[in-house]
Amino acid sequence: DAGVTQSPTHLIKTRGQQVTLRCSPKSGHDTVSWYQQALGQGPQFIFQYYEEEERQRGNFPDRFSGHQFPNYSSELNVNALLLGDSALYLCASSLWFGVNNSPLHFGNGTRLTVT
Amino acid sequence: SQQGEEDPQALSIQEGENATMNCSYKTSINNLQWYRQNSGRGLVHLILIRSNEREKHSGRLRVTLDTSKKSSSLLITASRAADTASYFCATDGSDYKLSFGAGTTVTVRA
Repeated sequence: DAGVTQSPTHLIKTRGQQVTLRCSPKSGHDTVSWYQQALGQGPQFIFQYYEEEERQRGNFPDRFSGHQFPNYSSELNVNALLLGDSALYLCASSLWFGVNNSPLHFGNGTRLTVT
Repeated sequence: SQQGEEDPQALSIQEGENATMNCSYKTSINNLQWYRQNSGRGLVHLILIRSNEREKHSGRLRVTLDTSKKSSSLLITASRAADTASYFCATDGSDYKLSFGAGTTVTVRA
């Protein structure tokens, strides 16, 4: 049973560029959440997708956008990259029903470096 | 901003000793969860405690929750080298967004 998979594992981009990160949720899960984790910090909630719609959003600018596909996989897009966007981007999946009582299953993340 | 704050920031113990870390949060919660993260990898869920529960056990883990003090503690008994990791508490409020603290880094020395 495959867990949460993310691609790519590492990425180096230049300031001003755009990036797309991908996530496949754990089998049977229908909800995907994205987190940004700066070095030495805890994960910060970016947004959450269910039924192909953004359901919740954290305190991130519109440069951060996402998408969920009918097969529940998801993409995170970041436009006009800044040096401060360098971080580990984590995808987590769960079930929507019982979302407040079920644990998140995390992928191993994409390490984004902006130079 | 982060809802939970773990204390201490770092902890170094000998193998076989117990490790205790605390989490404080600001607003009322539905539940509190603890996660472990090995260096540079994804987080792994350890335990979930609901707001109406006071204590929960899972193997060598013991979690307490005091909603009146808005705090929780995670105890790892008989620590092993494999317990070396960062530990995060996560809380959800009325919006069900899970908010993580900055974590406690635990080093278990052989």
